[in-house]
Amino acid sequence: DTGVSQDPRHKITKRGQNVTFRCDPISEHNRLYWYRQTLGQGPEFLTYFQNEAQLEKSRLLSDRFSAERPKGSFSTLEIQRTEQGDSAMYLCASSFDAGGTGELFFGEGSRLTVL
Amino acid sequence: GNSVTQMEGPVTLSEEAFLTINCTYTATGYPSLFWYVQYPGEGLQLLLKATKADDKGSNKGFEATYRKETTSFHLEKGSVQVSDSAVYFCASLWDQGAQKLVFGQGTRLTINP
Repeated sequence: DTGVSQDPRHKITKRGQNVTFRCDPISEHNRLYWYRQTLGQGPEFLTYFQNEAQLEKSRLLSDRFSAERPKGSFSTLEIQRTEQGDSAMYLCASSFDAGGTGELFFGEGSRLTVL
Repeated sequence: GNSVTQMEGPVTLSEEAFLTINCTYTATGYPSLFWYVQYPGEGLQLLLKATKADDKGSNKGFEATYRKETTSFHLEKGSVQVSDSAVYFCASLWDQGAQKLVFGQGTRLTINP
């Protein structure tokens, strides 16, 4: 399967703990996006990378959140000192920058539950 | 700000029924418009898109027409199948550089045989 893969698929943690999610995009894609989806809502943009450069971060991404994409391949999203409000599905998507087509390829998501 | 509003779900229909899922967007400029679908256990995938007014996107029997006058992009299908059961998301793209999609809240569709 050469689609976008995310790991872990589900993470349960206690408030105050740190968690990290990994995303492996489609190999030839140079753009990588993180979105967050809460129950009953559509995905909300968090941040995106072009190759290894993080080009934009949403105001939703507080100081406790950090994303990296070393070497322009896989990406990690770390949440420090988790809060119950961080409980959500974290979606990764990738695309090939070709004139703003809007077609993103999404992974199945990593569900975070903060107790 | 830019936003997209979809009709609330869930929607339950019988097989072969006609489907409409409403979607409207805020009219700040002329975004590209999309419908994404999420089948059970899978990631979101692009269903169809339209990039300018009066364009019609179509795929797998689904259609949506970009209506500038009503700022709408309603999804339609003439005869739904059980396999169409999924969550459908309307989305818009204003920032073509960053390709930041703005999604509606999603509509869960269930088709009964």
